[in-house]
Parts: sequence; C-alpha cells; structure tokens
Amino acid sequence: GEDVEQSLFLSVREGDSSVINCTYTDSSSTYLYWYKQEPGAGLQLLTYIFSNMDMKQDQRLTVLLNKKDKHLSLRIADTQTGDSAIYFCAETDTGRRALTFGSGTRLQVQP
Amino acid sequence: GAVVSQHPSWVICKSGTSVKIECRSLDFQATTMFWYRQFPKQSLMLMATSNEGSKATYEQGVEKDKFLINHASLTLSTLTVTSAHPEDSSFYICSARALAPGLVQETQYFGPGTRLLVL
Repeated sequence: GEDVEQSLFLSVREGDSSVINCTYTDSSSTYLYWYKQEPGAGLQLLTYIFSNMDMKQDQRLTVLLNKKDKHLSLRIADTQTGDSAIYFCAETDTGRRALTFGSGTRLQVQP
Repeated sequence: GAVVSQHPSWVICKSGTSVKIECRSLDFQATTMFWYRQFPKQSLMLMATSNEGSKATYEQGVEKDKFLINHASLTLSTLTVTSAHPEDSSFYICSARALAPGLVQETQYFGPGTRLLVL
C-alpha cells in the first residue's frame, strides 16, 4: 500500500529557514499536500503541488518535488514562533481520492 | 470559502453510551466527506469515506457497526460512536472535498476536530 514518511522533529531559531522533508512510495501519486496542525486543532491546508511540477512558491513557503526520488520538501523562510506546529505531508492519486498522511513533523521555533 | 465545521468540539461521556459527531460544509456542497481518527502524537488514520446518499466505505479494521456514518445531505455527515469504550477516546477529524481556487482536482478541507473522552 501507500506509505508516506517524515522526520519526527525539527528545531530552528526564529528568522532562520526551516526545511521539512517527506518521502512517499506510491508512484501514481498525483497530488501532494502540506497541512499544518496547531495543538488541539484540525488541519489547515498550507499548499499543494501537482506531480508534474518541480517547485511551487507561495509567499514564505516553497515546495520542492523530486518525482524520481519520490521526495517532497517544504521550506519556510524567515520562520516565526507562530510557525511552531506539526506539519503533515499527504498524497493522493486521482483514483483513490482519500489522502495518505505522513506521521507529521513537529516544528519547534526557538525565539 | 471551503469551511468545514464539526460539532461538538469536545465531548466526555460514560462508557456504554453513544456519541454523535456532526461534520458540516458551510459554504459548499460536498458529495464526499472523510472521517479520520488521530491518536496523541500520531498521524491521521482514515476510518471511512462517506458518500452522500449511499453507504459509507470503511477502511480495513474499522467496525462499521461501531462507527455509524450517515451522509444524509450534501452538507452534512455524521459519525456515531456506538457503545463507546475508553479505547475509543481519540481526536476525530472530518474532511470534505472541494474545488480549491486554481485547481481542477478537488482537495480536502478539514474540520477543527472533535476530542472524545470516554470514561
């Protein structure tokens, strides 16, 4: 079945860039997403990328996709304390429709 | 746009009782909603796919008689945890598919979640 993996924890200083990595196994993945979850809350869609794209930039967020290696990353520029949360990558294909989530990466931003 | 609400946001109940959780798409219609379960410090696990007007599709290992799903309208899906036990305590999150701006593929928007504690 589909599998999505992420590192569990990342700590950065305020103002630095954060890079959260994700790998997936399903070669038919068509859509890849990054969600943010703050404590006790639901998931907020941050950004998404199609599998035919290599990069997408949206303000402070940059998503890089290496389809050959099945590797996805999320870069947050000028990380702020408000960015502290758990970040989930997720993937789906057009046939399956449901999302497969990674384990989530807890980002801690030190002041 | 694409706001999903859940009610209640948290509930405490006694073992053996049933609990109903509502998931609503507030400003769009959703033919398909999904129910996820999240244990502390873990990822989301898909429980079932709820289709308007038809039976839900349950993931392997999820008891359909335990977790009753009803998707009676295009804006409402309900999850009923029947005869709840302490091991059912978890964070339940629903999502609904919507067409995001600039996308041709629908994406999922998530509700804020319902925290269930069974005593």
